[in-house]
Amino acid sequence: GAGVSQSPSNKVTEKGKDVELRCDPISGHTALYWYRQSLGQGLEFLIYFQGNSAPDKSGLPSDRFSAERTGGSVSTLTIQRTQQEDSAVYLCASRRDSGDTQYFGPGTRLTVL
Amino acid sequence: KQEVTQIPAALSVPEGENLVLNCSFTDSAIYNLQWFRQDPGKGLTSLLLIQSSQREQTSGRLNASLDKSSGRSTLYIAASQPGDSATYLCAVPDRGSTLGRLYFGRGTQLTVWP
Repeated sequence: GAGVSQSPSNKVTEKGKDVELRCDPISGHTALYWYRQSLGQGLEFLIYFQGNSAPDKSGLPSDRFSAERTGGSVSTLTIQRTQQEDSAVYLCASRRDSGDTQYFGPGTRLTVL
Repeated sequence: KQEVTQIPAALSVPEGENLVLNCSFTDSAIYNLQWFRQDPGKGLTSLLLIQSSQREQTSGRLNASLDKSSGRSTLYIAASQPGDSATYLCAVPDRGSTLGRLYFGRGTQLTVWP
């Protein structure tokens, strides 16, 4: 079956602009995660959605970052007033309700000029 | 806060060698540990997941061991091939949980040359 998909694959934006990154999880997966991978920082957790529960936002680095998950499926990560330090690969993962394994998408490479 | 460390950061070997990649974590109250592979410009692919009740897990030429009490895991790759070249990441979940975030090491970048 289809895996986790993310769009766009690459995004170049100017400092101060807002960007939206999209994640389509594997069908039927109830859990969805966003991570960020930047040079010198490794993979950092951003936010976690589980069903209808309140999301775990503890990894969001600032209030410029927000995420939504509509209808328990597609998720959008929004970064407002982008800064150069936001440049990174943003990875999405999903997990089925009874499983332990997170399945990752290919990521969106964000470059802020 | 859980901290995950991987050694070595990079490894370059000729084809056919047997390899050991190391991962250590600071909080041993984990339910499982996972090894991932990441190819350049791609997402992560899960290789092996070891439950805390297991000592090791095998898949083809890969064998992962877990010593929870000492906070260590190793990934053993037998008879390495150029196609094994990638970055290998280990990850553990939050203490006492299998559902939330994962904590990742910075990875071991492996190059296997013909």
